[in-house]
Amino acid sequence: ETGVTQTPRHLVMGMTNKKSLKCEQHLGHNAMYWYKQSAKKPLELMFVYNFKEQTENNSVPSRFSPECPNSSHLFLHLHTLQPEDSALYLCASSSLAGMAYNEQFFGPGTRLTVL
Amino acid sequence: QKEVEQNSGPLSVPEGAIASLNCTYSDRGSQSFFWYRQYSGKSPELIMFIYSNGDKEDGRFTAQLNKASQYVSLLIRDSQPSDSATYLCAVNGNYGGSQGNLIFGKGTKLSVKP
Repeated sequence: ETGVTQTPRHLVMGMTNKKSLKCEQHLGHNAMYWYKQSAKKPLELMFVYNFKEQTENNSVPSRFSPECPNSSHLFLHLHTLQPEDSALYLCASSSLAGMAYNEQFFGPGTRLTVL
Repeated sequence: QKEVEQNSGPLSVPEGAIASLNCTYSDRGSQSFFWYRQYSGKSPELIMFIYSNGDKEDGRFTAQLNKASQYVSLLIRDSQPSDSATYLCAVNGNYGGSQGNLIFGKGTKLSVKP
């Protein structure tokens, strides 16, 4: 256990559904991240929040909508997804974003399948 | 385009041998380097980080950094079957001016044979 939890662990949704992924960190960190991991591709950074302010949106389509109500919680709202969005979605946290010496700790991930 | 390159493997070593995993990176401004281990179906787990040139040892793991050559490696001594996993190299990079965001390689799959 890294102190970062994610729910649900598995999600199957149709292209017209709306769903949300939840992440919670118990490490006292101030930065949280969403990553996408697809087969045979490197981890892709999607969003960065530092002190609950979004500091990075890595050209992610608008069908992915993040929300960070406080430094411990992060959501990823999903709507009208495409089958190519099927992947493992990972949440991570660290002490601070924007610092070079920045160890990130990952949650267990949500395995998303879009039909 | 900032890149982190790793040989995808699989790298196969016998139990008890030294496994050597390599990573090169393109951004000369990178200051911190991380090795994550990812078992199949699981999330990445941080096992080592290194900030200074040279070697850093932690148990059976040694990280080596050569900034002049833009090269970082991970040595696993006395490899065990439980070390079989994909090893991800990550390097801090500049996204929109931020030094703290990580760029990951695709990972090297290691298989340790009993």
